[in-house]
Amino acid sequence: KNEVEQSPQNLTAQEGEFITINCSYSVGISALHWLQQHPGGGIVSLFMLSSGKKKHGRLIATINIQEKHSSLHITASHPRDSAVYICAVTGNQFYFGTGTSLTVIP
Amino acid sequence: DGGITQSPKYLFRKEGQNVTLSCEQNLNHDAMYWYRQDPGQGLRLIYYSQIVNDFQKGDIAEGYSVSREKKESFPLTVTSAQKNPTAFYLCASSQNLYPGQGYNEQFFGPGTRLTVL
Repeated sequence: KNEVEQSPQNLTAQEGEFITINCSYSVGISALHWLQQHPGGGIVSLFMLSSGKKKHGRLIATINIQEKHSSLHITASHPRDSAVYICAVTGNQFYFGTGTSLTVIP
Repeated sequence: DGGITQSPKYLFRKEGQNVTLSCEQNLNHDAMYWYRQDPGQGLRLIYYSQIVNDFQKGDIAEGYSVSREKKESFPLTVTSAQKNPTAFYLCASSQNLYPGQGYNEQFFGPGTRLTVL
């Protein structure tokens, strides 16, 4: 069993839709990270959070430490949001989810 | 601009050859990491280094070697002993290695795609 599970694995949305990607983890953590990987392969860190909620533009990340669960929301989705979104946690080491591939259709 | 660079972006290797992937950072980060990414799998840790002249094996170190002679550089050698080296390799760095040591957000390089012919 993976320490970090993401759902869904693949997601297709129409432009403008509200999108939610979920992440559950099974280890004790000090922080959770949401990463974005574009088709070229490079990875960008979107959020690092250990409690509550963070917002950056159209992206919102929440975490529930008691339930060991986090969500990444994208409001008013746009084709340029198409990417793989990876959830990672830092416990005694980094653990990565397998990613959610998002395609936003114009 | 501060960041992490990896070279080359694409690399082709014949079976039986060793090949070295470059990773340089100018963020003044103490910790550096090498990951391997395969389709349908999460990133897997190959090696990491907390300080110069020190490095530790990750989950899949067999067939790989690293060095950390300078703070800003952490090259990865894929040896002929690595049985399935075709993959996407990502280098990352962070200010500190583990939680409890402070800020630990990782910054990633653009990656190197290695193909064995």
